[in-house]
Amino acid sequence: GQNIDQPTEMTATEGAIVQINCTYQTSGFNGLFWYQQHAGEAPTFLSYNVLDGLEEKGRFSSFLSRSKGYSYLLLKELQMKDSASYLCAVRDSNYQLIWGAGTKLIIKP
Amino acid sequence: DADVTQTPRNRITKTGKRIMLECSQTKGHDRMYWYRQDPGLGLRLIYYSFDVKDINKGEISDGYSVSRQAQAKFSLSLESAIPNQTALYFCATSDLGHDQETQYFGPGTRLLVL
Repeated sequence: GQNIDQPTEMTATEGAIVQINCTYQTSGFNGLFWYQQHAGEAPTFLSYNVLDGLEEKGRFSSFLSRSKGYSYLLLKELQMKDSASYLCAVRDSNYQLIWGAGTKLIIKP
Repeated sequence: DADVTQTPRNRITKTGKRIMLECSQTKGHDRMYWYRQDPGLGLRLIYYSFDVKDINKGEISDGYSVSRQAQAKFSLSLESAIPNQTALYFCATSDLGHDQETQYFGPGTRLLVL
C-alpha cells in the first residue's frame, strides 16, 4: 500500500528553527508537495520538489531524497503565525496526490 | 475575489437527506477535485475530473456522486447522507501542464450529518 508518514505534532519557540520530516512509500514518484493549513482553513501551497536537493523560498526550505523516500520542510525565524498544520503529499505513478495526515506545529513565545 | 469558491460553507443535515455541495473556480483550470478531511487522517480523494466530459472515482467514492456542469463548476452530491459522512470537504483545481499542476483549494464546506 501507499503510505506517507509525518510526526503528529511538534512544538518550537518563536524565532527558532524547526524541521518537519516526511517519509513516503508510494507506487511511483512524480513530485512532492508541502502545504500549510491553518485550523479550519484551506491548505495553501508552500513548496514543490521533484529532484533531489534543497529548494529555498524565503524563511521556508524543502529538501528531497528520492532514494531514501524522504523529505523535510525547514522553517526558520519562526513566527507565531507559523502555528498551523503542515501537510506532505506525494504524486504517484497515476498522477494522484497521496496525503500525509499532517504535522501540527505549535509555536510558543 | 477568491479563485475557488465553495457553497455552502457550513451545512447541517439529517440522515437520509440528499445534499449538494458546489464548487466554482475562476482560475481557468481544467482539473477539479473533491476531497474530504477527517481529524487525524490525510486528505482523501472522492472524485476528480480532468475536463467536462471526464469523471473519475477516487479512493472513497462510495455514497457520493459528482457532476461537472462546466469547466468552472464541479458539484458533489450525497444521495442519502449518513453520520460517517460528517467531515470537512474541500474542492481543488489544477492546471494541466502548468505550475507543476499544483492543486489550489477552496475554503471548504463543514458538513454535519445528524
